[in-house]
Amino acid sequence: GAGVSQSPSNKVTEKGKDVELRCDPISGHTALYWYRQSLGQGLEFLIYFQGNSAPDKSGLPSDRFSAERTGGSVSTLTIQRTQQEDSAVYLCASSFTLSGEGADTQYFGPGTRLTVL
Amino acid sequence: DQQVKQNSPSLSVQEGRISILNCDYTNSMFDYFLWYKKYPAEGPTFLISISSIKDKNEDGRFTVFLNKSAKHLSLHIVPSQPGDSAVYFCAASSYANTGNQFYFGTGTSLTVIP
Repeated sequence: GAGVSQSPSNKVTEKGKDVELRCDPISGHTALYWYRQSLGQGLEFLIYFQGNSAPDKSGLPSDRFSAERTGGSVSTLTIQRTQQEDSAVYLCASSFTLSGEGADTQYFGPGTRLTVL
Repeated sequence: DQQVKQNSPSLSVQEGRISILNCDYTNSMFDYFLWYKKYPAEGPTFLISISSIKDKNEDGRFTVFLNKSAKHLSLHIVPSQPGDSAVYFCAASSYANTGNQFYFGTGTSLTVIP
């Protein structure tokens, strides 16, 4: 069975350019999370999608960041006018449901390493 | 504001001995805790979880202990094996209080020496 996949695995861009990062969650998982991990930092929550509900965007660091989830499956994280401080590993995770011990286990993708020059 | 803290960035243990990884949290509303393991160039993988109604959960060589009064949890690995060498993250959440956010610590890099 396929796990969570992310593309690209590496992205180098120039400051000021827009980037799109893609996440394919595990089929049937209703919840999808985006995190980022900056050097020396823990995983920082960015945004959460659950089914057809409005996303929880409370973790997005600025209005340059946005995300979509089409058809309840694939998600795209877009960073506009990238800055050097956006350089990080962006991780996507999916889970089946939010309730119950064990059911919230998040399965992570390998991440996209973004470098903004 | 770091709500979940792992104060030891690294830990070295001899193969066969016990590894103890610690995690502290500040939000008393957290009621669900997880440990993830991360190898280089890979995403974190779920290891073990515990809810606040328990104080211990065991899965093979891995045991998580929760001390709610101290807002502290720990992961014990015994016996430690070289393949356990990885970065370990603890995470915490409370759906009622923090909604959908899981808060992660900064990780502890475990090295098991053969």
